[in-house]
Amino acid sequence: DQQVKQNSPSLSVQEGRISILNCDYTNSMFDYFLWYKKYPAEGPTFLISISSIKDKNEDGRFTVFLNKSAKHLSLHIVPSQPGDSAVYFCAANLIIQGAQKLVFGQGTRLTINP
Amino acid sequence: DADVTQTPRNRITKTGKRIMLECSQTKGHDRMYWYRQDPGLGLRLIYYSFDVKDINKGEISDGYSVSRQAQAKFSLSLESAIPNQTALYFCATSEPARGGGELFFGEGSRLTVL
Repeated sequence: DQQVKQNSPSLSVQEGRISILNCDYTNSMFDYFLWYKKYPAEGPTFLISISSIKDKNEDGRFTVFLNKSAKHLSLHIVPSQPGDSAVYFCAANLIIQGAQKLVFGQGTRLTINP
Repeated sequence: DADVTQTPRNRITKTGKRIMLECSQTKGHDRMYWYRQDPGLGLRLIYYSFDVKDINKGEISDGYSVSRQAQAKFSLSLESAIPNQTALYFCATSEPARGGGELFFGEGSRLTVL
């Protein structure tokens, strides 16, 4: 039962254009959503997050949008740069019996072409 | 030096062997986690520990055990390795705060079971 889904395994975007990565979820109890970025041979690193009570959070070139009615979030990167080429994981935070747990999506490999 | 260090980084072993993956951290966090990454499945939680006396199973704990030797050390053991445990394993830490449960990951341990 995949509670967090990233349906696009890969995405290719031209440098300077907008990259849009999508994520869908099924559990309405998630209270925060996060995006992680992973380069080869490295661990994932935190990129940006959004509370379930917000619909947008922006940090520089990165903006996350949350549509609770559709149970959908997206990460926008603009303008896209070659260094943005990485695997991006969407994650959702759930509190179960006082314990905080992150549920991850499958990841989307973003390639920025010069 | 990395804040979250995993050893070994790469290991090839045979079916039935006992394997231990070690994790140490200098972030001073109480919470530590072990995840595995498989292609197409994202990151899945194996075990987590919120302090030295606390050990909890994640979603895929069968075939694994853990030991929290100190606040800074959390090891993952495969008592009798099998080929479908071939994966990339990540240790992570976090602080007990609301706001998304940001995780800090190690660089990963790639395990191959023949």
